[in-house]
Amino acid sequence: DGGITQSPKYLFRKEGQNVTLSCEQNLNHDAMYWYRQDPGQGLRLIYYSQIVNDFQKGDIAEGYSVSREKKESFPLTVTSAQKNPTAFYLCASSMGNSPLHFGNGTRLTVT
Amino acid sequence: GESVGLHLPTLSVQEGDNSIINCAYSNSASDYFIWYKQESGKGPQFIIDIRSNMDKRQGQRVTVLLNKTVKHLSLQIAATQPGDSAVYFCAENYLHNYGQNFVFGPGTRLSVLP
Repeated sequence: DGGITQSPKYLFRKEGQNVTLSCEQNLNHDAMYWYRQDPGQGLRLIYYSQIVNDFQKGDIAEGYSVSREKKESFPLTVTSAQKNPTAFYLCASSMGNSPLHFGNGTRLTVT
Repeated sequence: GESVGLHLPTLSVQEGDNSIINCAYSNSASDYFIWYKQESGKGPQFIIDIRSNMDKRQGQRVTVLLNKTVKHLSLQIAATQPGDSAVYFCAENYLHNYGQNFVFGPGTRLSVLP
C-alpha cells in the first residue's frame, strides 16, 4: 500500500546534538511538508518542498534544515540552534490541490 | 500514547448522539477546506473536504458545512461512536507564490461517553 513512513517513532538526543528525522513516501507526490505539533497548539509548518531540489521555509524554520534530493524523501535535521526541539514531528505529502497525507510522526525528546 | 493537545477545547457527547465541531478560518482567499481526525500517537487522517464553490458535502456519517460569509466551517458526525473519540482539526488551503499553503486550526478533542 502507498503511504508515508516516518522513522523512528521515538527519538532521544542530548542537547547540543543535531538529529535527522526520516520521511519517505511512495505516493508519487510532488510536494512534501514538515510540521511540528506541541500540546495545546495546532500544526505549525517548518519547511515544505514543492519539487525535487527546491524547498521553502515555513513559519518556524529557525533551527531546522531540510533537503530534497529525491522525490520520495524529505529528511528534516533538527540542529543544536533549535531552542526548544522536544516535540512531535509530522511529515506530509500532497499532489496538486489535494489533501495532505500524513505519516505517523516522530516523537523527539531532547534532554 | 502521544499527547496531541493538553488544553484543547473539548466536546463531550453521548454515544449515539450527533456531534458538531466548529472551526473559524482566517483567509478569505482560501478555497479548499479539509477536516482531519487525529488519534493518540498517530498522524492526522483525512475525513472529508470541501471546495469553496460548495456549502455542504456529505460522506459516510459525516457532513461538512461551509459558510464563506462568516468564514466558518463545521463538521457534523452522525450517531457518534466510541471510535470517533479523537482530536479533530480543520485546515484551510490557498495558493500562494510557492504552491499550496495549508493552515491548521488548533483542534477540538471529541470525547464520546458510553
